[in-house]
This record gives sequence, structure tokens and C-alpha cells, in this order.
Amino acid sequence: AQSVTQLGSHVSVSEGALVLLRCNYSSSVPPYLFWYVQYPNQGLQLLLKYTTGATLVKGINGFEAEFKKSETSFHLTKPSAHMSDAAEYFCAVSPTTGNQFYFGTGTSLTVIP
Amino acid sequence: EPEVTQTPSHQVTQMGQEVILRCVPISNHLYFYWYRQILGQKVEFLVSFYNNEISEKSEIFDDQFSVERPDGSNFTLKIRSTKLEDSAMYFCASRRGLAGSGANVLTFGAGSRLTVL
Repeated sequence: AQSVTQLGSHVSVSEGALVLLRCNYSSSVPPYLFWYVQYPNQGLQLLLKYTTGATLVKGINGFEAEFKKSETSFHLTKPSAHMSDAAEYFCAVSPTTGNQFYFGTGTSLTVIP
Repeated sequence: EPEVTQTPSHQVTQMGQEVILRCVPISNHLYFYWYRQILGQKVEFLVSFYNNEISEKSEIFDDQFSVERPDGSNFTLKIRSTKLEDSAMYFCASRRGLAGSGANVLTFGAGSRLTVL
């Protein structure tokens, strides 16, 4: 069975500081990996995804994530936080075969001016 | 940019009433999903739908829930007799599912907020 763990339900960073949101997955076979963002009162929007190829993937709004098979991780980073980055971030995995998506519990990012 | 659209955006209902939440997935997508998010909690899988039948469902998706794709464009979630604990944001999602870039990306609607009184 697949599972996703997001360490830290709340993360606060200062504006301009590095953002690091952690995601680890549990799977016997490396799955497809995703980060979604949810702004207040909105749906989930895809930030970036890893399926195959380069393990460092770049997404929208300056975010990137690196797939590390040895660590079963897919942490999300952004070099410099902006006030508009304040949102809920969800890591998700999907097996390479099959129909299901599994979401982590989410990390709420607060950006302090 | 193609979108998944959901209606209504907010519905208030009395306990025991039937509710239908509607979704229009992206037109060339083949896989459809419903998720829910109780306020302050994680996004929970309810059901997936492919080829006009349920392909997978969670424990949450009990006999009170049903899904339908009545006309080839709409994808509906029905709750027969709502309970207080059904109050949540319900998200519809779809994905293309064919080979190629984007095949496995879930595209979500903006959600339907259900409040059961």
C-alpha cells in the first residue's frame, strides 16, 4: 500500500527566506509524485510533478522539488518566499499502474513579512 | 486552459435530505474522482470512476453515496440522506489517463462546500 507523510503541519518562514516542505512516501516501487497547492477557499492546483526523467523538477511560482529514491523523498523548495506563497501544500503519490492518488495531510505555509 | 467545473459552490441542507453535487470534467479525460476535505483536515479519497463504472472506492463511500455519469459530460455525487458529518468541501477531479505528458495529472475543480444543519 502507498502512503505519504508530510512532516510539519505548519511551517512559518520570513519573506525572502528559503521554503522547505517535506514529503516522504512509502511504496515498494517508486510512484509518480506531485505537489498541489490550495489557496484559501480555492481548489487544489498542480504545482509540479515527477513521473520519469530528471529528478529535479521545476514547477510554477518558482517552486521545485527533487525526487530522491534512496530517501523515498520528494521535498518541495523555493529559494525566496513571497507573501503570496501562503497556502496549504499537499504532497501526493500515484502508483505507476493503477488508478489511485494518495494525499498527505498537508502543510500550511505562513509567510511572515 | 481546460477546467473542471463544479456546482453548486456552496449548498446548505438539512440533515436527512438528499444532495447532488455536480461536476463537468475536462472533455477528453477518462478518469473521474471525488474527494472530500472536512474543514481543517486532509483531502480524503471517496471514489474513482472509469468506463462508466466505479473502479475504486474508500470506506467513506458507503451506501449513502452514489456516483453517476448520466450524459457523457456531467459526473455527479449523490448523498441520499445527509448527516452532520457529511459537512465538508467536496472536490471533483479528472485525469486524461492516456500515455504522454499530463496523463497522470489530476485536475481539480474549485470544490462544492456542503453544510449540513
